[in-house]
Amino acid sequence: DTAVSQTPKYLVTQMGNDKSIKCEQNLGHDTMYWYKQDSKKFLKIMFSYNNKELIINETVPNRFSPKSPDKAHLNLHINSLELGDSAVYFCASSHRPTSGASTDTQYFGPGTRLTVL
Amino acid sequence: AQSVSQHNHHVILSEAASLELGCNYSYGGTVNLFWYVQYPGQHLQLLLKYFSGDPLVKGIKGFEAEFIKSKFSFNLRKPSVQWSDTAEYFCAVNAIWGGKLIFGQGTELSVKP
Repeated sequence: DTAVSQTPKYLVTQMGNDKSIKCEQNLGHDTMYWYKQDSKKFLKIMFSYNNKELIINETVPNRFSPKSPDKAHLNLHINSLELGDSAVYFCASSHRPTSGASTDTQYFGPGTRLTVL
Repeated sequence: AQSVSQHNHHVILSEAASLELGCNYSYGGTVNLFWYVQYPGQHLQLLLKYFSGDPLVKGIKGFEAEFIKSKFSFNLRKPSVQWSDTAEYFCAVNAIWGGKLIFGQGTELSVKP
């Protein structure tokens, strides 16, 4: 009954390759996020989708392309991998508030540790 | 610019000691505040959150935090830590309407048995 799941958990690949990370949530949320945690454990938002629509797109190289086939899935495709892409990538999900009065909590997946050699 | 600052990079305590981790934020507007914990090799788990109301919030595992609006602070406390509290602790903030979380740089807590 995993709430937010990611595959794979570990990904080791060579520079220049293209890889994908998948994320799925069964919480009934309509908003999903990708965060990157660097080697110093600093977490930063990359993208967010609401109902398959991109709503947050931070300053991220265009080698990174998120895709949301439906509101329960958000995948991250990375082209031409570089050494600096090595990090832990976390997917998260939440409800998107409609009233503006409050927000819901973001729940995180287990992370995907990407190592680029 | 929006930012979150955690005062301590690494805190080392003995079991049963009291804990206070500092967190200050800079954000132009009303915010929601969170503390997440990341145990070694695991994902982020929510410890507690503040949206509105009582500024003293209680979370899981005996943790609590106090929101002091005038100081833009949301410090995490626990009266008596255990070895199992060894983890990385992250303070985070987002706008009241939701959206991206802005994280602090994290505080590593090591509790000696």
